[in-house]
Amino acid sequence: DQQVKQNSPSLSVQEGRISILNCDYTNSMFDYFLWYKKYPAEGPTFLISISSIKDKNEDGRFTVFLNKSAKHLSLHIVPSQPGDSAVYFCAALLQGGSEKLVFGKGMKLTVNP
Amino acid sequence: ETGVTQTPRHLVMGMTNKKSLKCEQHLGHNAMYWYKQSAKKPLELMFVYSLEERVENNSVPSRFSPECPNSSHLFLHLHTLQPEDSALYLCASSQDRPSGGARISDTQYFGPGTRLTVL
Repeated sequence: DQQVKQNSPSLSVQEGRISILNCDYTNSMFDYFLWYKKYPAEGPTFLISISSIKDKNEDGRFTVFLNKSAKHLSLHIVPSQPGDSAVYFCAALLQGGSEKLVFGKGMKLTVNP
Repeated sequence: ETGVTQTPRHLVMGMTNKKSLKCEQHLGHNAMYWYKQSAKKPLELMFVYSLEERVENNSVPSRFSPECPNSSHLFLHLHTLQPEDSALYLCASSQDRPSGGARISDTQYFGPGTRLTVL
């Protein structure tokens, strides 16, 4: 049973527009969420995170929103740039527990010039 | 070298071969991980070492054998693999800190991965 779900496998947006990547989770005990970005032939790189005590975290063009009641988080990229084209993984963590990072399947974002 | 490095980047092996994957982290972290990424599947956690002690083994077949000689190095020894073991194997590291008898992990930093093909 997947605890972290990224239900859309891909997204295509135009340069300059907003990209919204969604993620749902099932375990209400998760208390820390991260987004990773992965280019082909490279390992995932950390992008942005959010603690469950917050509902929004912003870093430049990237903003993550957390809706605990809906067990949903989203990553907003605005404005989107062609260099943002990559696979984005949502991950959840139960801090202090035996469970480590749980990843979604990933979502491929393509930003068209 | 900076960050997390992995060698080799690509490996092709037969089912009867024995090979090892190597990971080295230059971040001063105290925890290291092996993940497997297969096509169209979530990243699967295989092993976790914290302070050189294996703290997690997620029902991984015995044909995969991890080794952590020190906090900077992590190996994955492979023998008699199956074609379905072909995948991208990723190493990661993080800084664990104690918290109320448990451990909290900060952000994990990944290496570039080893693309393994088993013939």
